Amino acid sequence: QKEVEQDPGPLSVPEGAIVSLNCTYSNSAFQYFMWYRQYSRKGPELLMYTYSSGNKEDGRFTAQVDKSSKYISLFIRDSQPSDSATYLCAMSRTNAGKSTFGDGTTLTVKP
Amino acid sequence: DAGITQSPRHKVTETGTPVTLRCHQTENHRYMYWYRQDPGHGLRLIHYSYGVKDTDKGEVSDGYSVSRSKTEDFLLTLESATSSQTSVYFCAIREDVGRATDTQYFGPGTRLTVL
Repeated sequence: QKEVEQDPGPLSVPEGAIVSLNCTYSNSAFQYFMWYRQYSRKGPELLMYTYSSGNKEDGRFTAQVDKSSKYISLFIRDSQPSDSATYLCAMSRTNAGKSTFGDGTTLTVKP
Repeated sequence: DAGITQSPRHKVTETGTPVTLRCHQTENHRYMYWYRQDPGHGLRLIHYSYGVKDTDKGEVSDGYSVSRSKTEDFLLTLESATSSQTSVYFCAIREDVGRATDTQYFGPGTRLTVL
């Protein structure tokens, strides 16, 4: 069983919809939680990061971490076609790299 | 833009040949990483470096070696390429310790095909 499991998708939504992307994990030592966005044939780029539990909001994006349930989520409000990409969750025990990544969820937002 | 370049961007080679991929950064960061990305497996860490001549293995290091003789360059070598090493390879850097984050910045990737 993988340490990090991500909802596989693909996910297709109409423009303006609220999107929920989710990951579960088994290692209770994870403290750092990241979401990356990857456009087709590009490298991943950091979208959000959270240390320990709680919520973090940045514009239309909200990241949630529930360490008691070992569950993290990324919410996208008022989704746009430009949000169409693969979203990767990542997490690590320390801030020295060596993140463990989910397999990614591919999102398509249709105009 | 994190100042990371990878070369070559595309390469086709034959089974049994050696291949070296280069990652170059302009940020002077200590930590550098090599990942491979395959369908159904996400990003998997091959090797990483925490300084010049300081490297360590990741989860899928068999068949790969690395070298870092300068801060700005991190080389990944496939000593004898196999078809199972056909993949997209990403280099990443991490900002140095001191922040409450473990975020990495990725290069554009190298698409390697081993025939």
